[in-house]
Amino acid sequence: GAGVSQSPSNKVTEKGKDVELRCDPISGHTALYWYRQSLGQGLEFLIYFQGNSAPDKSGLPSDRFSAERTGGSVSTLTIQRTQQEDSAVYLCASSLARSSYEQYFGPGTRLTVT
Amino acid sequence: DQQVKQNSPSLSVQEGRISILNCDYTNSMFDYFLWYKKYPAEGPTFLISISSIKDKNEDGRFTVFLNKSAKHLSLHIVPSQPGDSAVYFCAASGDSWGKLQFGAGTQVVVTP
Repeated sequence: GAGVSQSPSNKVTEKGKDVELRCDPISGHTALYWYRQSLGQGLEFLIYFQGNSAPDKSGLPSDRFSAERTGGSVSTLTIQRTQQEDSAVYLCASSLARSSYEQYFGPGTRLTVT
Repeated sequence: DQQVKQNSPSLSVQEGRISILNCDYTNSMFDYFLWYKKYPAEGPTFLISISSIKDKNEDGRFTVFLNKSAKHLSLHIVPSQPGDSAVYFCAASGDSWGKLQFGAGTQVVVTP
């Protein structure tokens, strides 16, 4: 079956612009996570969705970052007024249930802010 | 603060030999540990996991060992194969949401 997909695969944007990243989880997976990986770093947790609600937003680095999930499926991560330090690979993962630690990752979106 | 640490950024091993990857953690509330493997331009893929109630879990060529008193886990790959060349991430979880804390990764290169 289809895995987690993310779009775009690459995004180059100018500092100060807004960007929107999309994640399509595996069908039927109720839990969805956003992570980001900066150069030379591990994956950093951003936000967790269970269905359409986000009980854990603790990893969002600033109020320029927001995310939503509609219909318990597709999620979008929006970064407003992008800064150079936002440059990273943004990864989305989904799992069957919130207690299922095995998360399936998409290929990521590489964001470059110039 | 980095709660999961992989202190070796890279590891080179000959084909057929054992690869040993190490991971240390600081949060005693972590109760589940996982290893992920990542190829370039792909997302991480789940490899093997271990619950804190165990000290060893084996799956084919991959074995994970957990030493809770030392807050240390390791991944053994034996025998190593060229296809094992990838970045390996250690991850840990301690909450009911399944949120994972990741280490910085170890780049493994298996040479013929």
